[in-house]
Amino acid sequence: AQSVAQPEDQVNVAEGNPLTVKCTYSVSGNPYLFWYVQYPNRGLQFLLKYITGDNLVKGSYGFEAEFNKSQTSFHLKKPSALVSDSALYFCAVRDRMNYGGSQGNLIFGKGTKLSVKP
Amino acid sequence: NAGVTQTPKFQVLKTGQSMTLQCAQDMNHEYMSWYRQDPGMGLRLIHYSVGAGITDQGEVPNGYNVSRSTTEDFPLRLLSAAPSQTSVYFCASSSLRGTNYGYTFGSGTRLTVV
Repeated sequence: AQSVAQPEDQVNVAEGNPLTVKCTYSVSGNPYLFWYVQYPNRGLQFLLKYITGDNLVKGSYGFEAEFNKSQTSFHLKKPSALVSDSALYFCAVRDRMNYGGSQGNLIFGKGTKLSVKP
Repeated sequence: NAGVTQTPKFQVLKTGQSMTLQCAQDMNHEYMSWYRQDPGMGLRLIHYSVGAGITDQGEVPNGYNVSRSTTEDFPLRLLSAAPSQTSVYFCASSSLRGTNYGYTFGSGTRLTVV
């Protein structure tokens, strides 16, 4: 069965420092991987995705993520955090081999709250 | 603007009442789904559909019904509301073709059952 783990409920970072939000996954085949962000009282917004190709994926708002197949990880990173980055971040995985079928649903982690202090 | 539209945004129900949460998308997406979001639980899949006339259960389907009579609409029905269904509900859609494999989410419906 597919699963996603976000080991940290909360990450605290000072503004201007680099940030990392961790994600590990488990799928039976090759994964499609995603990061979404949710601001308070809002829906989820797409940040970036890994489908194939380069392991380093660049997304919106200066975020990037690195796909590491051997460690089954897809950590979200940003070189310099902003206070406005404070939000809830979700990692999600989709099984490429079962895309469109009953196993093709997007499975989400429990979310990591990012708090960036001035 | 193209996207996923959810109505209502807020709803308070009494235990035992029924209601329908509406979801519509105008992107001609084959795939639509309903999630519920609870603190510390992430998003959990309730029901999904891969096309008109096709629906299936997700992780937490009990107490909910869905139907997909058109490509555009995917309503979620609460048959007899319970306090445990107090949650924020999100509808999402996705194409099953091309190279954009992510979801587009609606803005959510905050439901309180008293």
